[in-house]
Amino acid sequence: AQTVTQSQPEMSVQEAETVTLSCTYDTSESDYYLFWYKQPPSRQMILVIRQEAYKQQNATENRFSVNFQKAAKSFSLKISDSQLGDAAMYFCAYRSARGTSYGKLTFGQGTILTVHP
Amino acid sequence: GAVVSQHPSRVICKSGTSVKIECRSLDFQATTMFWYRQFPKKSLMLMATSNEGSKATYEQGVEKDKFLINHASLTLSTLTVTSAHPEDSSFYICSARTSFGRNEQFFGPGTRLTVL
Repeated sequence: AQTVTQSQPEMSVQEAETVTLSCTYDTSESDYYLFWYKQPPSRQMILVIRQEAYKQQNATENRFSVNFQKAAKSFSLKISDSQLGDAAMYFCAYRSARGTSYGKLTFGQGTILTVHP
Repeated sequence: GAVVSQHPSRVICKSGTSVKIECRSLDFQATTMFWYRQFPKKSLMLMATSNEGSKATYEQGVEKDKFLINHASLTLSTLTVTSAHPEDSSFYICSARTSFGRNEQFFGPGTRLTVL
């Protein structure tokens, strides 16, 4: 079974600065997807960024980028120019690309991000 | 983008009663929907996978007779918490997976269940 670990229960950052959230995962599969989701106080899950394991290039979405290290099974999220609206709980998630677990998301424990003005 | 709704957003019920939560994909057809449970400041725990026209697949430790799932159409899945007890109080979230493009999952806004 796959596992996802977020070792930082809480992180904080000053507005306009950069913060990195850590995520590691364990899998024996070679084909999979990784995601970062944001859950603001409204509790609506919002997809932040997605990475296909077969792609070597790190995904970027505006101020959000990832550092995907497949051999190390590491998938960190970097938020640049942090904004107050970035304050939320962030979840790292894994999804198999095939097999009986196809489509199922396995989530990490979450990291609560606080943004200070 | 794809929109998923849940109804009700909040429900309070008495112990022993049953509660039904609906999950609808509003602008796409979803052959697969997922039901999650989330405790305060905790992660999402997958309860079951709901496939249209077939029986749901439950995760280990989830009581299928307690949490009844029906996926009657390509846009609707329901979760019924039967004989609810205070320990069933939680935040329930559904997601629907598209069958086109990137097969993304889109999440509903969640339902807060409180059992008195």
